[in-house]
Parts: sequence; structure tokens; C-alpha cells
Amino acid sequence: SAVISQKPSRDICQRGTSLTIQCQVDSQVTMMFWYRQQPGQSLTLIATANQGSEATYESGFVIDKFPISRPNLTFSTLTVSNMSPEDSSIYLCSVSRTSGRFGTDTQYFGPGTRLTVL
Amino acid sequence: QKEVEQNSGPLSVPEGAIASLNCTYSDRGSQSFFWYRQYSGKSPELIMFIYSNGDKEDGRFTAQLNKASQYVSLLIRDSQPSDSATYLCAVGARSNAGGTSYGKLTFGQGTILTVHP
Repeated sequence: SAVISQKPSRDICQRGTSLTIQCQVDSQVTMMFWYRQQPGQSLTLIATANQGSEATYESGFVIDKFPISRPNLTFSTLTVSNMSPEDSSIYLCSVSRTSGRFGTDTQYFGPGTRLTVL
Repeated sequence: QKEVEQNSGPLSVPEGAIASLNCTYSDRGSQSFFWYRQYSGKSPELIMFIYSNGDKEDGRFTAQLNKASQYVSLLIRDSQPSDSATYLCAVGARSNAGGTSYGKLTFGQGTILTVHP
């Protein structure tokens, strides 16, 4: 398994401001992912972050709105910029790692950051 | 058409019954299929995966895959109230030219399961 922590766990922000979410992993991983889970919805992939290269964004997500940093193999940040109430969501980071139990590459998720934008 | 579709439910079954959760996917080249369980307020956790056509059993869980029909299911036998959660079907992207999966998953909208005593 993987031990993943996120900061902050939750926040309430005013529209027009920005919030940076941190994701820390207990050991080095090549690939980290950022997801959004809106209330009552499933997970939507925002971007894939690899160390040493630009993040790869999914359709509908742009770097200006969700800039991502990946300075090393255990850490990443996601910034939600110029927030609006529509950005209220849970933001999760995940890492791809081989499961000891299942013997396959899978994704392990952090605890999430619950963001409310007023 | 959504890439991964699930019946959102809610699905309600009595304790001890078999719960059947279904998922279809649109990309015929998909290679790997996962079932995650998400308790309310928690992050998803992997409970099953399957790569090959047929059935795969792990304890009370059985995953079934039919690539021709682009269909994957999860059966939970002897359902318990502790199984009450949202079950997310996730499909892994096809491998790249080098034959290595690059780890991206596409999730369905999830099925809410309630097991009542």
C-alpha cells in the first residue's frame, strides 16, 4: 500500500481567491494523479503529474486554472485558481503503485481535500 | 456516451443476499478493470481487479469480465451491512506502444449499495 497525506483536509474560501493543495507520499512514485469528486459524483481525473515534466491535463481542465507542481518523487501540489462556487468539491491525489495484495499496478488515494467556495 | 457507465442505484439488498453491481465501458481496447469501494466521507479503496475474460473470486467478492460485451460486474455474496458503500468501477487505459500501462483510470459514476439487516 501507500501512505498518502494531503493538506489541508478541508477549507472554506472566498470566490476569486486561490488555494494550493499539497500531496505527500511516503516513498518515491513515478506517477501522481489529481482527481476531483463533486458532491454525489464520481471521480474525474484533472491531470497526471510526472516528476520533471509538465503535467498532462484531461479535456476540460487547463493549466491556468489548475497549475500543478511536481518538484520531486514524493510530493505534488495542485492549485485551484480564481475560485468560484462551482469549484466546491473534494480534491484527491493518488499514486500508481504495485499492490502487494493484488500483485497489480493500481491507484492508491489520499484522504482528500474538501473545498467549499462561497 | 459516457466512457464508463454504472447504474447509480441505490441498490438495496437484505443482509445475506447477493449484491450484483454492473458496469459497461466504451473503449474496446481497455486492458484492466477495477472495483473500488468508497465509504461516505472516505477515499476509494481497491477491492477487486480483473484483466481476463471470465470470473475472478476473492473471498465474498467475484468479478466477472466479458470483453466482447464490454461488460464487467461485481458480485458480493453474503452481503453485510458493512458492505454498504458506493462501488466505483474503473477502467484502465490501454497500454502504450511499449506495452507498459501508464496508470490512468476512468471511473464510472458509482453505484450506491445499501445492505439492510
